[in-house]
Amino acid sequence: AQTVTQSQPEMSVQEAETVTLSCTYDTSESDYYLFWYKQPPSRQMILVIRQEAYKQQNATENRFSVNFQKAAKSFSLKISDSQLGDAAMYFCAYREGQGGATNKLIFGTGTLLAVQP
Amino acid sequence: DAGVTQSPTHLIKTRGQQVTLRCSPKSGHDTVSWYQQALGQGPQFIFQYYEEEERQRGNFPDRFSGHQFPNYSSELNVNALLLGDSALYLCASSRVRGPNTGELFFGEGSRLTVL
Repeated sequence: AQTVTQSQPEMSVQEAETVTLSCTYDTSESDYYLFWYKQPPSRQMILVIRQEAYKQQNATENRFSVNFQKAAKSFSLKISDSQLGDAAMYFCAYREGQGGATNKLIFGTGTLLAVQP
Repeated sequence: DAGVTQSPTHLIKTRGQQVTLRCSPKSGHDTVSWYQQALGQGPQFIFQYYEEEERQRGNFPDRFSGHQFPNYSSELNVNALLLGDSALYLCASSRVRGPNTGELFFGEGSRLTVL
């Protein structure tokens, strides 16, 4: 069975600094997606960034980027120029397959990110 | 463009009771999934509905059931509530075909407390 592990329950970063959140996963599949979601106190899960396993190039979305190491089954999230609004719980998630047929995401336990002014 | 909407936002039930949670998907989406998020944990997949049928199910007992209506909205029903069913229940929608397939949008959840 696929598993997702986030080994950092809590992280803290100074405003304008850079922080990296770690995630490892286990799967025997070759086609899959990886995601980072942000969940602020409002509770709504917000997609931060996604990575298709077949793409070697690391995904980037503005201040957010990933370091995808497929052989090592590692998927870390780097947040540059951290802002107070980045404070939230961050979840790493895995989804097998391509296309939209399945909505089954497997989530890690989350990393609570605090941003210090 | 309304996103995923869920109701009610909070509710309190007692053990043994039954509860129904509701979800309206984002406009243009045709598949809905439900997740259970216990306090301090990541969400756990309950099931997915598409074309009014349950397509995939996580490791949840039969007390958890659902329905999808022709307008793509969905309900989650939980019977014989246990204390351990206390959680945030998240609904997520996406489209199976077309652009950006599989990109999930989540609602703000329904917080269920079982006493």
